Amino acid sequence: QKEVEQNSGPLSVPEGAIASLNCTYSDRGSQSFFWYRQYSGKSPELIMFIYSNGDKEDGRFTAQLNKASQYVSLLIRDSQPSDSATYLCAVNRDSGTYKYIFGTGTRLKVLA
Amino acid sequence: SQTIHQWPATLVQPVGSPLSLECTVEGTSNPNLYWYRQAAGRGLQLLFYSVGIGQISSEVPQNLSASRPQDRQFILSSKKLLLSDSGFYLCAWSRQGRSNQPQHFGDGTRLSIL
Repeated sequence: QKEVEQNSGPLSVPEGAIASLNCTYSDRGSQSFFWYRQYSGKSPELIMFIYSNGDKEDGRFTAQLNKASQYVSLLIRDSQPSDSATYLCAVNRDSGTYKYIFGTGTRLKVLA
Repeated sequence: SQTIHQWPATLVQPVGSPLSLECTVEGTSNPNLYWYRQAAGRGLQLLFYSVGIGQISSEVPQNLSASRPQDRQFILSSKKLLLSDSGFYLCAWSRQGRSNQPQHFGDGTRLSIL
């Protein structure tokens, strides 16, 4: 089992729809969770981070964390073609380790 | 605000040649620094991280090495490149002292080995 798993996609959604990206992790000790957006050929860009169970909203983005079920998700409301990218999930144990574990990413395509 | 600079953006090197990639951070002191490699279609692989000058932790044994000669400078090196060293190399920083802080990435170096 991979430490951080994401469906590689592509996930295709029409413009204006809600895109839902999911990530599961295997280490129950994980405490910090991050979402990055990576355009083709570019470096990852931080979108959001979440530490506590529940939802965290930032503009069109909402991160959802469920530690009991070991998953974290990212919702993108009113999806735009410019949101088309690969979305990376990363987790960290936050116990003195600086090792962030990244998933391989989900490719999102927003269709105009 | 903090910025991270990484160069060069692209590099083509022959097998067996040396490598030096440099990364500097501005606008913050004593950052945690990281080197990652991203192979095509794969996730980010942590290569090295550093929590202070001269302090380097290696995550993957290979023919690469890292150094941190100054607080905000992180260098990735190799004496002899292998074909398998091709990839997208990313430097990142996070705030010092806490391991749960988000990482911020530089623009990356795309390395091709011929």
